[in-house]
Amino acid sequence: DQQVKQNSPSLSVQEGRISILNCDYTNSMFDYFLWYKKYPAEGPTFLISISSIKDKNEDGRFTVFLNKSAKHLSLHIVPSQPGDSAVYFCAASDSGTYKYIFGTGTRLKVLA
Amino acid sequence: ETGVTQSPTHLIKTRGQQVTLRCSSQSGHNTVSWYQQALGQGPQFIFQYYREEENGRGNFPPRFSGLQFPNYSSELNVNALELDDSALYLCASSPDGTSYEQYFGPGTRLTVT
Repeated sequence: DQQVKQNSPSLSVQEGRISILNCDYTNSMFDYFLWYKKYPAEGPTFLISISSIKDKNEDGRFTVFLNKSAKHLSLHIVPSQPGDSAVYFCAASDSGTYKYIFGTGTRLKVLA
Repeated sequence: ETGVTQSPTHLIKTRGQQVTLRCSSQSGHNTVSWYQQALGQGPQFIFQYYREEENGRGNFPPRFSGLQFPNYSSELNVNALELDDSALYLCASSPDGTSYEQYFGPGTRLTVT
C-alpha cells in the first residue's frame, strides 16, 4: 500500500517557467511533509518542509502548498533553472514516529 | 562540519552471503536512519537508531539489523542476502531531538547476484 504517491514520473519545463510537482498521501495521521532533491550519485538533499498547521511555506524560489482536506501537497519552483534538474521526492511523517514515508519521485528536467 | 559519509560506494555479493554497510553521521547527530531505495522507487525506511538503541523499524525482516556506536558511526547488516536486496542503501543522520531534519549520505549500491 503506497501511502505517499507521486503520480508523475517525469516533468519537463522550460527555463524561467514554473515547475509544479505534485504529491498525494492517504494517511491522515501524517502531520509533517518534506521535499527532497536528489542528483545522480548523491543522497537526497532536504529542500523544504511544511507542518500540517500551515498551508503554505516559502523559501526563495521554492514554495510548498498543503491541502489537508484533499491530502495533497505540491512544490512550486519559480523561476525554474537548469540546475533544478533532478529527481524530487516528497516524504511524509507523523510526529509520533519520525519515520519518513517517501514517494516514488518525479524526475524534473529544466530545458535551457 | 563534515557531512554524512558511507562506505563502501559499491558492493557485489552472492545470494546467501552476509554484508555490512557503514555510515558515519555528522558530528553531534545522535539519530541515524537507514533506507533502502530500489530502482525506480523512493527510499523505504528500514530502521532508526537513537543513542545506540533501535527507535523504530519499517517493514523489513529480522535479517536486516543495525548497530550504532558512540562515535556517531553506524552499521547496517544484512544476512542471507536475496536477489531482491539489490538496491541503494542510504543512511541519514539527525540532530538530537529534531529528527525531522535528516541529512543523507551518498549511499552504498549493493548488487546481489
